[in-house]
Amino acid sequence: NAGVTQTPKFRILKIGQSMTLQCTQDMNHNYMYWYRQDPGMGLKLIYYSVGAGITDKGEVPNGYNVSRSTTEDFPLRLELAAPSQTSVYFCASSWTDGGANVLTFGAGSRLTVL
Amino acid sequence: QKEVEQNSGPLSVPEGAIASLNCTYSDRGSQSFFWYRQYSGKSPELIMSIYSNGDKEDGRFTAQLNKASQYVSLLIRDSQPSDSATYLCAVNPSGGGADGLTFGKGTHLIIQP
Repeated sequence: NAGVTQTPKFRILKIGQSMTLQCTQDMNHNYMYWYRQDPGMGLKLIYYSVGAGITDKGEVPNGYNVSRSTTEDFPLRLELAAPSQTSVYFCASSWTDGGANVLTFGAGSRLTVL
Repeated sequence: QKEVEQNSGPLSVPEGAIASLNCTYSDRGSQSFFWYRQYSGKSPELIMSIYSNGDKEDGRFTAQLNKASQYVSLLIRDSQPSDSATYLCAVNPSGGGADGLTFGKGTHLIIQP
């Protein structure tokens, strides 16, 4: 049981390049999330999904896109990378505990845009 | 905008003492509250959840919730150097919570040997 797996762990992009951050979970969770974390800041929600085929914007969605074709996978696409997208990205999935969503995080992907 | 506020620290505590971490939240309808621990360069890991007013104890950790004051705290007894980390307070906002958790910026805790 691997939990939430993210790839790549590190990536350097040039301004204007595009890339996809991969996220896979093997816990059969319906809910999945992408957060970004900037130094000294909390986690900001980019996009989330409540099930295959359903996605919605979070607090900071501009410059990103997601898809959810299967329960397991929730990739995050960066189009036209900008220095402001330099951050650590965390994918998470959640299970319910008495009605509350409890998040489990992947190891993170550190992205630098130069 | 729903907010979660924490003192960023650093909070320095001697080994063996009690570390007290505090958090306030703005969404009065919030129902679920969590403490995550994050070591430098690592991902957040859940250490405590609390849903009802009062105290909840798990080993050396105690979470305290006061919904009337919109206040959540985490106490760490017999603090160890391995407890040195950033502690993130997270809140499930009202309205279902499918859109994830709202996180504070975290409190950096340092346990001095």
